[in-house]
Amino acid sequence: DGGITQSPKYLFRKEGQNVTLSCEQNLNHDAMYWYRQDPGQGLRLIYYSQIVNDFQKGDIAEGYSVSREKKESFPLTVTSAQKNPTAFYLCASRLAGDRNEQFFGPGTRLTVL
Amino acid sequence: GENVEQHPSTLSVQEGDSAVIKCTYSDSASNYFPWYKQELGKRPQLIIDIRSNVGEKKDQRIAVTLNKTAKHFSLHITETQPEDSAVYFCAASKGGSYIPTFGRGTSLIVHP
Repeated sequence: DGGITQSPKYLFRKEGQNVTLSCEQNLNHDAMYWYRQDPGQGLRLIYYSQIVNDFQKGDIAEGYSVSREKKESFPLTVTSAQKNPTAFYLCASRLAGDRNEQFFGPGTRLTVL
Repeated sequence: GENVEQHPSTLSVQEGDSAVIKCTYSDSASNYFPWYKQELGKRPQLIIDIRSNVGEKKDQRIAVTLNKTAKHFSLHITETQPEDSAVYFCAASKGGSYIPTFGRGTSLIVHP
């Protein structure tokens, strides 16, 4: 089902704690993305990475951090600085070049109590 | 940066009717326009896309049209079926780096 996985599916954390969301792909895709989805807000870009060891901020990067040490992996850390972290988080990947299609993971629903 | 507006936010139709979802974009340099379908509780999946060098593209019951001059593009679904019920997202991006900007989504409800 696309070869991109996210874990866990549901995540609960207490306010003030950092939490890391996993995203792994075995599609040999170069680019990876993190989006946040809130009702009525569409998909908003948090961070993206075009190649290993490089990443760029998206539109709503404040309170989040990422790393891209391996091509297959792009973990997202939601820090305590993120003021409203409860949301549905989607990871996506894409092969470089003219094939522009993004493949999405199944998502992680984060609830901060 | 790019701004994508999508309308309507909710669309309710009877089975067999047609459905049209419209998007406008602001950056005239955008040249790739995908549409994604997200069923309840599932991941978004690409259903059709169009590039700026064509005005229309069809795939069975779905079609997308693009008007570069007016900077708008639309998704057309004919002979709607209950399984078409989902949230549909449009997006716009420039070639090369591909950092798409998404619309806010349209919830399509097809009543049997």
